[in-house]
Amino acid sequence: DIQMTQSPSSLSASVGDRVTISCQATQDIGTSLNWYQQKLGKAPKLLIYDASRSETGVPSRFSGGGSGTDFTFTISSLQPEDFATYHCQQYHSLPFTFGQGTKLEIK
Amino acid sequence: QVQLQESGPGLVKPSQTLSLTCTVSGGSITSSGYFWTWIRQRPGKGLEWIGHIYYSGSTYYKPSLKSRLSISIDTSQNQFSLRLSSVTVADTAVYYCARDGSGFGDGFAPWGQGTLVTVSS
Repeated sequence: DIQMTQSPSSLSASVGDRVTISCQATQDIGTSLNWYQQKLGKAPKLLIYDASRSETGVPSRFSGGGSGTDFTFTISSLQPEDFATYHCQQYHSLPFTFGQGTKLEIK
Repeated sequence: QVQLQESGPGLVKPSQTLSLTCTVSGGSITSSGYFWTWIRQRPGKGLEWIGHIYYSGSTYYKPSLKSRLSISIDTSQNQFSLRLSSVTVADTAVYYCARDGSGFGDGFAPWGQGTLVTVSS
């Protein structure tokens, strides 16, 4: 199985900050990577697919990048509604796997 | 738009079988290219992909669960189901169903709201 490692596991930031989360795969997955946002008690929501493509309706402050084994997810200017847990997920090969999640908290 | 809704018992005894159904509305489960997926999240943990099914009935299961897992589809009811046998407390989790668009280079969307299944005597 391809292992996905996110860093950091948790992050404290303030409204207006720029934050970046990393996701590393144990083998080359090309750009077969998605990012999800999960708020407390809710189902995850797809934000970014194919490493850098934004799902319809997702605000432009969210972006993704990278290829191969190293990926990033960036929020350019944090808004109050962005405090949540973010997950990366590879779909290069089965079984699909997720990172352990990054919890973004208010400083 | 397509919506998914999980249903099934919230409490299962150890060694018994966990059974859940996902009902798809607003679209056909036979839509070409989409897989129908089960994902779970143990308390306080990350997301775990369990398995998926295509409308043809073709399945793929997470290898570590394969001996206990069965996913089926009922195209006439626009539903797909999960059965996990011989459950233990480690199977306690929120179970989500989702549509998988990876065949199009897309992700899991939409998701059901999730249903908590507790394994306890």
